[in-house]
Amino acid sequence: AQSVTQLDSQVPVFEEAPVELRCNYSSSVSVYLFWYVQYPNQGLQLLLKYLSGSTLVKGINGFEAEFNKSQTSFHLRKPSVHISDTAEYFCAVSDRGSNYKLTFGKGTLLTVNP
Amino acid sequence: NAGVTQTPKFQVLKTGQSMTLQCAQDMNHNSMYWYRQDPGMGLRLIYYSASEGTTDKGEVPNGYNVSRLNKREFSLRLESAAPSQTSVYFCASSDWTSAQTQYFGPGTRLLVL
Repeated sequence: AQSVTQLDSQVPVFEEAPVELRCNYSSSVSVYLFWYVQYPNQGLQLLLKYLSGSTLVKGINGFEAEFNKSQTSFHLRKPSVHISDTAEYFCAVSDRGSNYKLTFGKGTLLTVNP
Repeated sequence: NAGVTQTPKFQVLKTGQSMTLQCAQDMNHNSMYWYRQDPGMGLRLIYYSASEGTTDKGEVPNGYNVSRLNKREFSLRLESAAPSQTSVYFCASSDWTSAQTQYFGPGTRLLVL
């Protein structure tokens, strides 16, 4: 069975500061990894995904994530955040053995303050 | 191209009432999913349908039933609603053509009194 741990439930930062949202996963097989963002009262939107190839993945809105197989991590980073980045961020994992079902972490609420 | 649509957007039920949440996608995806989102719990899979004509239980199926009506539509039914089913429900779809990316609907907010 696969699982996802998002190490911080809340991350407050100031505008223009860098941010890292941490995600660790466990799985016995090769995985696909995703970060989704949820703005208030909306559905989930894909930020970026790792399927194979380069371990550094770039997504929308200036976010990027690095897949680290040895540490089973997929941390999300942005060098300079904006007020509009305030949202909840979910890390998720899927694998071929689970019929590509997604297992989500519990989410990290990123609050960007002026 | 509307993507994934869900109806209704919001619903209030009394304990014991039944209702069906509707979901439709226009991306010709084979797989469809129902999740519930509760504060501090992330999203948990209720049921999924890997292809038309098949459905399987997810992590939290108790109290729910599903129907994959055709390739486009996947409904979720609560036969006898309970306060513990108060939640936000999301439908999603995916396919190998979308490189396993799941596309989500806007959600249905359900309150069971």
